[in-house]
Amino acid sequence: GENVEQHPSTLSVQEGDSAVIKCTYSDSASNYFPWYKQELGKGPQLIIDIRSNVGEKKDQRIAVTLNKTAKHFSLHITETQPEDSAVYFCAAVDSSYKLIFGSGTRLLVRP
Amino acid sequence: KAGVTQTPRYLIKTRGQQVTLSCSPISGHRSVSWYQQTPGQGLQFLFEYFSETQRNKGNFPGRFSGRQFSNSRSEMNVSTLELGDSALYLCASSLSTGAGTGELFFGEGSRLTVL
Repeated sequence: GENVEQHPSTLSVQEGDSAVIKCTYSDSASNYFPWYKQELGKGPQLIIDIRSNVGEKKDQRIAVTLNKTAKHFSLHITETQPEDSAVYFCAAVDSSYKLIFGSGTRLLVRP
Repeated sequence: KAGVTQTPRYLIKTRGQQVTLSCSPISGHRSVSWYQQTPGQGLQFLFEYFSETQRNKGNFPGRFSGRQFSNSRSEMNVSTLELGDSALYLCASSLSTGAGTGELFFGEGSRLTVL
């Protein structure tokens, strides 16, 4: 089945710096890769997603890149702000249409 | 528009008991998925219901079950509770069935502690 690995598990950056979170997946048939943000005490919320026919997608300060050959995808946050502090999860859809999540990255943006 | 509502938000049970958790999806959403979140295992898929039918199931023992009603509200049940069942149980709703077909909208979860 699909396996999604996510690194790093924790990430601390200075406000204004960039943050990058990386994920790898195992099932070459996976074709949908969402990223969810979970704030303390809340459920995860979709922040951006990408499909396998696209290499990069941007939404303001957030971007996701996908390398299908290497089977990895990354989340890039530029000009980080304290409100970006949260746990971020990558995910991939497996061949039976289940969403498989990575283990999460706790991002701390220091003011 | 109201979001996904989960009840109860917190509960404490003892080993061997059973528990029922409830989820009311966003109005108009017909798919409800359940996830277990633990510090060690992350977010793990339990099952998905669409139009009162279980469409997909994760790798959990038969003690974990669920159902969906005609109004799309869903319940999950865990019988013969074990200490390892302590977790945050998240419900997510979406317009269509099958991951990858649309955004999942999560509730705030039901935190279960098993003593």
